[in-house]
Amino acid sequence: DAKTTQPPSMDCAEGRAANLPCNHSTISGNEYVYWYRQIHSQGPQYIIHGLKNNETNEMASLIITEDRKSSTLILPHATLRDTAVYYCIVRALGDAGNNRKLIWGLGTSLAVNP
Amino acid sequence: EAGVAQSPRYKIIEKRQSVAFWCNPISGHATLYWYQQILGQGPKLLIQFQNNGVVDDSQLPKDRFSAERLKGVDSTLKIQPAKLEDSAVYLCASSLEEQETFGSGTRLTVV
Repeated sequence: DAKTTQPPSMDCAEGRAANLPCNHSTISGNEYVYWYRQIHSQGPQYIIHGLKNNETNEMASLIITEDRKSSTLILPHATLRDTAVYYCIVRALGDAGNNRKLIWGLGTSLAVNP
Repeated sequence: EAGVAQSPRYKIIEKRQSVAFWCNPISGHATLYWYQQILGQGPKLLIQFQNNGVVDDSQLPKDRFSAERLKGVDSTLKIQPAKLEDSAVYLCASSLEEQETFGSGTRLTVV
């Protein structure tokens, strides 16, 4: 079973920031928080990942709480092309057995509206 | 860099027929995955290869599904015989280190 909880759907106005929450209260010390998204009829696309520090790249920012039990993915200026299902996943890296694989939940369906 | 290539893009077969999917990962990516994604759900890992060896096939229905990765590069996933519940998108992904790159998938419809 997925170790994360996400709202099933969210709406965002074009040009505004989209803040997607994720709860992962049972995360282990060696597990990272990963975000992928899946645009309709396409394969999932990697967005960003982090362990405990906040991370930023050209696509998004990842804010992880100090206790690591939740995180927020921020799309700073959402566009219509950001409409997709966003998946938050926790996983270990390295030789960590089954904890290394991606276990996907249902994600959050984000609709960016004009 | 070129992405993960999958074919065919769509396939419709009758139940009890067999079907095969092909995947060409990103050059140099040692790890290759096959996922099954049923409509409205997240992807489910079927099998993971490290080079040409199987790392995890715990969720592969081995009575009807098989996969191989000859020479540690391309991979094929086969279903024989297909059931109605196999209707899904089959995704291939590859990775080198910390993040997976996915193909566009093969949409299988079993009628």
